Amino acid sequence: SQQGEEDPQALSIQEGENATMNCSYKTSINNLQWYRQNSGRGLVHLILIRSNEREKHSGRLRVTLDTSKKSSSLLITASRAADTASYFCATGIIQGAQKLVFGQGTRLTINP
Amino acid sequence: GAGVSQSPRYKVTKRGQDVALRCDPISGHVSLYWYRQALGQGPEFLTYFNYEAQQDKSGLPNDRFSAERPEGSISTLTIQRTEQRDSAMYRCASSLVSGGGLHNEQFFGPGTRLTVL
Repeated sequence: SQQGEEDPQALSIQEGENATMNCSYKTSINNLQWYRQNSGRGLVHLILIRSNEREKHSGRLRVTLDTSKKSSSLLITASRAADTASYFCATGIIQGAQKLVFGQGTRLTINP
Repeated sequence: GAGVSQSPRYKVTKRGQDVALRCDPISGHVSLYWYRQALGQGPEFLTYFNYEAQQDKSGLPNDRFSAERPEGSISTLTIQRTEQRDSAMYRCASSLVSGGGLHNEQFFGPGTRLTVL
């Protein structure tokens, strides 16, 4: 079974706007990771945030983690057409830190 | 260097046949993982290895599924007596070190699309 739930399931915005995706999970975690999957392609690792971190940045990406609410958000600023993809959060759970538990993903569409 | 590679990229088989899916992880990566992804869903964990040792196989659906990594590098996921419900994308990933530390990022291969007729 999958632990994470992304919200929204689908998001469509105009190029240049910011996109925010949320992820909620159920059990205690060691870390949380965000991945991107373009249509027909593999999963690309975007960013990892550990359970003792609250915020992390990488280029146009900003990830927050609230362990008290068991939630995370991914913000993509100044979106581009190439950002169109599905975005997944994956949690590394404490009992099995090697095992990632993925959510169902948010399908992001950037309109030109 | 090269990323994670998987072969074949596509596999079509008839129900009842056995299939073997191969994963070649990034050189030097300790941990190797197998996931299965249904269309429109996120990947679902199957099993993982540290070096040659299978650490967790709790995600394998039933005893028709098995995996090995005999020399701690290349891994094979075998599905015996395939059924139509086994149709999915099978993804392999590797990570540099074991444990929940900083380098626990998993790098995924392109996957093998399995279709069971």
